[in-house]
Amino acid sequence: DTGVSQDPRHKITKRGQNVTFRCDPISEHNRLYWYRQTLGQGPEFLTYFQNEAQLEKSRLLSDRFSAERPKGSFSTLEIQRTEQGDSAMYLCASSPPQGIEDTDTQYFGPGTRLTVL
Amino acid sequence: AQSVAQPEDQVNVAEGNPLTVKCTYSVSGNPYLFWYVQYPNRGLQFLLKYITGDNLVKGSYGFEAEFNKSQTSFHLKKPSALVSDSALYFCAVDPREAGTALIFGKGTTLSVSS
Repeated sequence: DTGVSQDPRHKITKRGQNVTFRCDPISEHNRLYWYRQTLGQGPEFLTYFQNEAQLEKSRLLSDRFSAERPKGSFSTLEIQRTEQGDSAMYLCASSPPQGIEDTDTQYFGPGTRLTVL
Repeated sequence: AQSVAQPEDQVNVAEGNPLTVKCTYSVSGNPYLFWYVQYPNRGLQFLLKYITGDNLVKGSYGFEAEFNKSQTSFHLKKPSALVSDSALYFCAVDPREAGTALIFGKGTTLSVSS
C-alpha cells in the first residue's frame, strides 16, 4: 500500500481558468476528505465522502468548487473560475471503514499546491 | 466556536534536550485528539492519537503526548530531540459530532539545533 496519492503535485494557473485535482485514497478506505491549507495556517475542512456519497460540505466550499467520488474510489476536486484567493495547498485524506482498526485516523496525501496568477 | 490553539509559533531546542509542543482545545464532549507532522512540500504525517484510556500516549519516532482533561490540553513531548525532528507540527481535534472534520491548530515550527 503506497498511501494516499494526489495529482498533480503543483498547478499554476491564470485567474479565471478551471482546474481539477485528483486524489486516490488508500485501498479499501471508504471515507475520503478534502482540506485546504493556506500559508501559516492549519488545514481547513472542505468536504467529506463516504463511499460515493458526499455527506458533508463546509461553507468554505463555494459554488465554484465541486467534488466528486463517482465510484467510491478516487475523488476529484474542481475549482471553476479560479481567483487569486484560491491559491493554497489542497490536501486529501482517507480513513478505513468503521469497525476497522484505525477507523478514527485520517491519513493524508502529499497535497496539490495551487498558484493562481 | 470550537477551536484548537497552539500558543507557540516556533519552539527551539538543542539536540538531546527534551521538547514540548503545546496544544489546548475548546471543544465540548469527549473529542479525539491527534498530532500530525509536516515536512516541507509534503503532506501531513500521523504521529499519535488519544481516544480513551491512559493519559500518556506513545506514537511514532519516540514522540508521546499527555492528555489533560481538566486543562483541555494535549501537549506533544519527546525526551531527547533530534535534528531530524525539525518540522511543522499540528495538533488536531475530532469533535465526534455529526461531521467528521478535523479541527486543526495553526501549527508550531520545531527547530532542533545541533
